[in-house]
Amino acid sequence: GQQVMQIPQYQHVQEGEDFTTYCNSSTTLSNIQWYKQRPGGHPVFLIQLVKSGEVKKQKRLTFQFGEAKKNSSLHITATQTTDVGTYFCAGVFSGNQFYFGTGTSLTVIP
Amino acid sequence: ETGVTQTPRHLVMGMTNKKSLKCEQHLGHNAMYWYKQSAKKPLELMFVYSLEERVENNSVPSRFSPECPNSSHLFLHLHTLQPEDSALYLCASSQDDTGWFYGYTFGSGTRLTVV
Repeated sequence: GQQVMQIPQYQHVQEGEDFTTYCNSSTTLSNIQWYKQRPGGHPVFLIQLVKSGEVKKQKRLTFQFGEAKKNSSLHITATQTTDVGTYFCAGVFSGNQFYFGTGTSLTVIP
Repeated sequence: ETGVTQTPRHLVMGMTNKKSLKCEQHLGHNAMYWYKQSAKKPLELMFVYSLEERVENNSVPSRFSPECPNSSHLFLHLHTLQPEDSALYLCASSQDDTGWFYGYTFGSGTRLTVV
């Protein structure tokens, strides 16, 4: 079936270090979205990428969509304790349904 | 407050009980969704409603029964659940039934435990 793979599953970093999570698909995606879920919270929409090779930035967060539209990444520069949570990607293959990845749980050690 | 309100926040029910989850959105969105979130699994789409009409049902067991009386309210009726149905049930809404560009707005979820 259609699925979006996300790695790593867990990541522990020292505060101030960078963090990257990757989202991969075996087939082309129409678009991809990223969400953040704080511990005990609910997913919150961060951004959507649509174009091949697209790069978007939100302060310390950089989002990329691969040239082949089969992968995406989220990079956080100089992590802070407020970045703690699980980051999900969600991709659309065809139609309108989003398929969520399993998420990357980020722990930031002060 | 996200603009999508779910009640109750926590629910413990026996396998023979009948209960309902409620979701209300105050965003003027036209589509509403039920998702199931289990540990170490991707978010699973259960139902999609667009303008009160069900547009998608992802092979969900009949013990889960959705109801959408209007574009602001969504219910999930539960009966004769199994322990493996224990999970966080998330309601979401979007401006249209694609969720493109502005994404989904999720509620805080109902943590369901089936005993």
